[in-house]
Amino acid sequence: DSGVTQTPKHLITATGQRVTLRCSPRSGDLSVYWYQQSLDQGLQFLIHYYNGEERAKGNILERFSAQQFPDLHSELNLSSLELGDSALYFCASSRPGYTDTQYFGPGTRLTVL
Amino acid sequence: AQTVTQSQPEMSVQEAETVTLSCTYDTSESDYYLFWYKQPPSRQMILVIRQEAYKQQNATENRFSVNFQKAAKSFSLKISDSQLGDAAMYFCAYRSAQGGSEKLVFGKGTKLTVNP
Repeated sequence: DSGVTQTPKHLITATGQRVTLRCSPRSGDLSVYWYQQSLDQGLQFLIHYYNGEERAKGNILERFSAQQFPDLHSELNLSSLELGDSALYFCASSRPGYTDTQYFGPGTRLTVL
Repeated sequence: AQTVTQSQPEMSVQEAETVTLSCTYDTSESDYYLFWYKQPPSRQMILVIRQEAYKQQNATENRFSVNFQKAAKSFSLKISDSQLGDAAMYFCAYRSAQGGSEKLVFGKGTKLTVNP
């Protein structure tokens, strides 16, 4: 158990819908990273937040957005969902002074029908 | 942009034997970090081992060790005394040491099968 929690574990929804994925980092970690794992694209970085502020963006679609709250949990919002958004979404966290190592949550499996 | 290549989509090993998984990367940076993550059927991403590029000594964690060749941009993982629980996907990952570039760049993975 990495100490990073993600909810829900599984999510099944329809095209055009909007969903929210939630992540709670390890105690003491200020950084939260979101990654998408799909069969065709592999593991791809989406976005990084540090202590409530956006630090870096990767291959994140405009239909996707994220935020990190004062209690340091983060949410990834996916809207106007398409079949191709079906994937495993991971959250990872790291702490100040040790930001080279990221610890991953169990992931949220999103299925868009 | 940095890239990570794992040239072996699948590998197999007999229980108790040793196996080496390959990883090469491309970067123009001199300071960075390298990682191996394990993803078993549960899909959890588990950190196996990390290496700091400025350290010449190869990292070791119990039965897991790496062969880090900075000039060749090679970072292979050796698993000794393989166990059935080692069966998983293994991902090699690169992280820049530059501030603001903390994302992990992953290879496509190697599926390791351990035969009893």
